Amino acid sequence: NAGVTQTPKFRVLKTGQSMTLLCAQDMNHEYMYWYRQDPGMGLRLIHYSVGEGTTAKGEVPDGYNVSRLKKQNFLLGLESAAPSQTSVYFCASSASGNLDEQYFGPGTRLTVT
Amino acid sequence: QKEVEQDPGPLSVPEGAIVSLNCTYSNSAFQYFMWYRQYSRKGPELLMYTYSSGNKEDGRFTAQVDKSSKYISLFIRDSQPSDSATYLCAMGGDMRFGAGTRLTVKP
Repeated sequence: NAGVTQTPKFRVLKTGQSMTLLCAQDMNHEYMYWYRQDPGMGLRLIHYSVGEGTTAKGEVPDGYNVSRLKKQNFLLGLESAAPSQTSVYFCASSASGNLDEQYFGPGTRLTVT
Repeated sequence: QKEVEQDPGPLSVPEGAIVSLNCTYSNSAFQYFMWYRQYSRKGPELLMYTYSSGNKEDGRFTAQVDKSSKYISLFIRDSQPSDSATYLCAMGGDMRFGAGTRLTVKP
């Protein structure tokens, strides 16, 4: 039981490049989330999904897109990376909504130069 | 003004000390309150969870919520070097996290 895994662990992009971050969970959770963590800002919700085939915007969705084609996977896309997107990205999942514990992945460190 | 305010520290204490970590919030709609612990270069993990005013105890950890003052606290008794981590408060309805307080417990 791996819990929540994230791929890749590290990535350096040039401004304007695109990439996709992959999150996978093996706990059969309905809800999945993407956060970014920046110094002094805490965790901020980018997008989330309440089930396969659904996505919704969080606090800071601009510049990102997501897809949840399979229940166990949640993809985060950056179409045209900007230096302001340099951050640590965390994926999380939970069995149900806000009242339920979220399980986090180990994070992806992204640098945009 | 941020919805959730948390002093980022850093906070350094000797082993065995009592640690007090705090958050204030502005949104009266928040219904539940959590504390997450995050070790360096790891994802956060849930430490304590409560959705009512008052105290909740779990071993060396006590979570305290004062909804009238919009103030929550986490107390760690007999702190250990293994408690060295960043502690994030979180609250919801719509989930909001504090910035996190970095704690170091020195042997």
